[in-house]
Amino acid sequence: DVKVTQSSRYLVKRTGEKVFLECVQDMDHENMFWYRQDPGLGLRLIYFSYDVKMKEKGDIPEGYSVSREKKERFSLILESASTNQTSMYLCASSVPGQGANQPQHFGDGTRLSIL
Amino acid sequence: SQQGEEDPQALSIQEGENATMNCSYKTSINNLQWYRQNSGRGLVHLILIRSNEREKHSGRLRVTLDTSKKSSSLLITASRAADTASYFCGGTSYGKLTFGQGTILTVHP
Repeated sequence: DVKVTQSSRYLVKRTGEKVFLECVQDMDHENMFWYRQDPGLGLRLIYFSYDVKMKEKGDIPEGYSVSREKKERFSLILESASTNQTSMYLCASSVPGQGANQPQHFGDGTRLSIL
Repeated sequence: SQQGEEDPQALSIQEGENATMNCSYKTSINNLQWYRQNSGRGLVHLILIRSNEREKHSGRLRVTLDTSKKSSSLLITASRAADTASYFCGGTSYGKLTFGQGTILTVHP
């Protein structure tokens, strides 16, 4: 089974801090994705990556950046955390094949609170 | 922007009944995927239906796709208490998977 592991289940940070959310997958997947999930808004795509050192903006990239230095690891960075970035963050991966056309495998999420 | 919008937002049924959830989307898609999310967990992929398919089955799941109406439905037959979860549809286009808000399904024993 594919395993997508997010480094923290719960995280509390302060406004203005630089925050790193880490995601690791063990199935050699090329594609990796970061979403945030908010009540009433569903899941929204922040950034995605089709290969090492490649990144593409999703629907809501503002205030975020990403890093993909190794194939198995995709990091989401909040450059200067703000309270409106309090959310559940979900990482996913998939095999290659026309971007997001393949089923995605999700981690259990990181619930991030910005105080 | 949301590709999929689910209806109803919440559904409460008794064990053994069938559950039907509907999804509408806005733009052309390559495929439509259904996912399930248990409380506090990540999403789990259930089924994928391609734009040139009209119906697909997987165990107790049946998915239909009507591209002319830009809609899909997920039917869970003979529901169980363990089916209690949120269900999301997502349409794939331009290399991205865009989800709707989800349907919360509660199955009472």
